Amino acid sequence: KAGVTQTPRYLIKTRGQQVTLSCSPISGHRSVSWYQQTPGQGLQFLFEYFSETQRNKGNFPGRFSGRQFSNSRSEMNVSTLELGDSALYLCASSLEPGPPSGNTIYFGEGSWLTVV
Amino acid sequence: GDSVTQMEGPVTLSEEAFLTINCTYTATGYPSLFWYVQYPGEGLQLLLKATKADDKGSNKGFEATYRKETTSFHLEKGSVQVSDSAVYFCALGGSTLGRLYFGRGTQLTVWP
Repeated sequence: KAGVTQTPRYLIKTRGQQVTLSCSPISGHRSVSWYQQTPGQGLQFLFEYFSETQRNKGNFPGRFSGRQFSNSRSEMNVSTLELGDSALYLCASSLEPGPPSGNTIYFGEGSWLTVV
Repeated sequence: GDSVTQMEGPVTLSEEAFLTINCTYTATGYPSLFWYVQYPGEGLQLLLKATKADDKGSNKGFEATYRKETTSFHLEKGSVQVSDSAVYFCALGGSTLGRLYFGRGTQLTVWP
């Protein structure tokens, strides 16, 4: 069974540009969430989608957005990139909207974004 | 609100040594607790989980017991191997659906 797949794995962008990251969840999983990982801030929750609806959002500026398609695949977009957006962006999926129901959240390998 | 406090390390051990990584949490209700592991250049892998008080999660020789009275979920392994070298994250699934709250991570290095 294929795991969570994220593309691209690595990318370099220039300040002011925008970027779109893609995530394909585990087959049958309907909840997709996104996290940003940096050495300084650790793992921070961006947002979570279930059945194409954003159910929860973390404390990030409006430059960070996402969406989920009818096949549960998800994309996140960051506009007007800043140097501080350099990070590992992790996508995760679960059958239902995850804890506290006990459902396990499975993570992809991540997309490494470098902003120069 | 929900939060996790985790021993940050780094932790350096010799092969076959005993490992403990402390994790305590704050949460309303009855959260689920998880340990994830991250190897260099990779994403997070679920190591073990526990969904209610007194549950013990175990996997690959690692164990952690959900202690509601001490709000803790400490990770232990009796004999670590070089291949266990990684960053370990304690996480809580609390009152917000679809969201995990993570500790800052503990870097473990095991020397032969």
